[in-house]
Amino acid sequence: LAKTTQPISMDSYEGQEVNITCSHNNIATNDYITWYQQFPSQGPRFIIQGYKTKVTNEVASLFIPADRKSSTLSLPRVSLSDTAVYYCLVGPKGAGNMLTFGGGTRLMVKP
Amino acid sequence: DADVTQTPRNRITKTGKRIMLECSQTKGHDRMYWYRQDPGLGLRLIYYSFDVKDINKGEISDGYSVSRQAQAKFSLSLESAIPNQTALYFCATSDLSGYTFGSGTRLTVV
Repeated sequence: LAKTTQPISMDSYEGQEVNITCSHNNIATNDYITWYQQFPSQGPRFIIQGYKTKVTNEVASLFIPADRKSSTLSLPRVSLSDTAVYYCLVGPKGAGNMLTFGGGTRLMVKP
Repeated sequence: DADVTQTPRNRITKTGKRIMLECSQTKGHDRMYWYRQDPGLGLRLIYYSFDVKDINKGEISDGYSVSRQAQAKFSLSLESAIPNQTALYFCATSDLSGYTFGSGTRLTVV
């Protein structure tokens, strides 16, 4: 399974765009990249999933370069309520147990 | 109603006691999981089940057992609780789209 590396923490201010990059150098051909968000004392929540290029939904955008060895989660105009831990997971669709939630990136949004 | 419901939300128990954490889901998913989260750390997989007749150990199954009573129900038991099992426990389900997590059970073993 592809190992992922992401920053331990990031700080931002309200209204800024935040980009969190995840490295996954040994990503396999059938692996997808999925991001989850976790607020304190709550379970992780699915944000976005992609395979290549760019995916956008109402919450975030996911940018994946052609070599797929990294990906960037982009949160436009963050607010205080975006303060959370963000996890990058790489694996086949429906991998279930095979996905490992590492330490994630702790994003702190300041006023 | 929540898609994945965990009970209780909070529990304090004494060392050596048996305790059961319950999870039920309305997603209709076959796959269910129990995770443990310690402060400041990621989630670690305790047990998982791909259907009612399939139970598998995760990376930290020692000291825990599970029961898959039905497609919608997956319970986690601590046969003899110890203080280092104090943690936040999450139940989850999954399909091809990804995971859906419950709100967690905060367990304290004193």
